[in-house]
Amino acid sequence: DAGVIQSPRHEVTEMGQEVTLRCKPISGHDYLFWYRQTMMRGLELLIYFNNNVPIDDSGMPEDRFSAKMPNASFSTLKIQPSEPRDSAVYFCASARGSYGYTFGSGTRLTVV
Amino acid sequence: GIQVEQSPPDLILQEGANSTLRCNFSDSVNNLQWFHQNPWGQLINLFYIPSGTKQNGRLSATTVATERYSLLYISSSQTTDSGVYFCAVEQAGNQFYFGTGTSLTVIP
Repeated sequence: DAGVIQSPRHEVTEMGQEVTLRCKPISGHDYLFWYRQTMMRGLELLIYFNNNVPIDDSGMPEDRFSAKMPNASFSTLKIQPSEPRDSAVYFCASARGSYGYTFGSGTRLTVV
Repeated sequence: GIQVEQSPPDLILQEGANSTLRCNFSDSVNNLQWFHQNPWGQLINLFYIPSGTKQNGRLSATTVATERYSLLYISSSQTTDSGVYFCAVEQAGNQFYFGTGTSLTVIP
């Protein structure tokens, strides 16, 4: 199994631009999570899906953030427009039922 | 929301030494996981341990759910053990909330 695959690994963009982060969960996992990690706030849960349906998006910081999961093998996290304070490492994780998470390698986003 | 506190925040060990990391949580939980974030930023699941004790090589973990804490033991530490260790707890809905981590440095 290739694990949870995230792309891109690094993204540098200018303030105001749209950013799209991508995630491919492990096949057969029915939960998908998006986390953000910063020095100040640690690991924060942004949103999670169960069977492709968003269950809780209360962690999404603003309307500039949106996430979709059109099918069981793909999810996106979009920021539009991006701001410097969005700079962070964004992790995707997947899980099967109530078993433990598997994280992707993360996307390091820098907004200048 | 639930509070997850980890101690110590920082730890420096000589290679070969043993250590115990602690995770306290403020409310009852359904599940608990320990993760290691290596110096390259990758998060690795170490244990899924809602209760009881598990061992994997030099690492072991114990969770006492009734007393709201979990311990991670590292024996015969190696430089590759360096990184940040996170405890994460779940109350409902498969959402895990992370502690602030213990930063471990193992020096040769």
